[in-house]
Amino acid sequence: AQKVTQAQTEISVVEKEDVTLDCVYETRDTTYYLFWYKQPPSGELVFLIRRNSFDEQNEISGRYSWNFQKSTSSFNFTITASQVVDSAVYFCAVRRQGAQKLVFGQGTRLTINP
Amino acid sequence: DAGVIQSPRHEVTEMGQEVTLRCKPISGHDYLFWYRQTMMRGLELLIYFNNNVPIDDSGMPEDRFSAKMPNASFSTLKIQPSEPRDSAVYFCASRRQGDGNQPQHFGDGTRLSIL
Repeated sequence: AQKVTQAQTEISVVEKEDVTLDCVYETRDTTYYLFWYKQPPSGELVFLIRRNSFDEQNEISGRYSWNFQKSTSSFNFTITASQVVDSAVYFCAVRRQGAQKLVFGQGTRLTINP
Repeated sequence: DAGVIQSPRHEVTEMGQEVTLRCKPISGHDYLFWYRQTMMRGLELLIYFNNNVPIDDSGMPEDRFSAKMPNASFSTLKIQPSEPRDSAVYFCASRRQGDGNQPQHFGDGTRLSIL
């Protein structure tokens, strides 16, 4: 069975600080897919990024960056120079190859204070 | 392109009533998923369809829940009779078939309150 652990339940920082959201996953599969989603206060779930298990390149998109380390089963998400609009609940998820079910972590509630 | 469209956004009804939630997936997507989100259990997959056919309904909590997908552009999730413990946010998502890392795209959700 797969499992995703987001150990940080809530994080609160001041605007412009950098913040890293941790995600640790468990799977016995050799091929799997990792995802991050954002749920702002308005409630919708927004897809942010996906990563294949065989692609360990880190990715940067503007103020967002993702660090995938297979050796530690982690897929962490960093926001640089955080802004109030980044306030949301962030979910990490894993899906094994050939399956459709996304296994979500419990989410990290991020609050950016002005 | 339009995203996944769910209706209604909010539903408040009394226990015992029938509730029908609706979803229009993204055009061209082959998979459709229904999820439920609660504080206690997080995001749970209820059922998913592939090319309008239900594939896995093992997450449907009880026989009071049923889902249909009569065509590629419409699905319903029905609860009959509804109970207060069904109160949650229900999400519909769709995904394109293809290479394995295609993401699921979610609708805005239906916030359901059963009084």
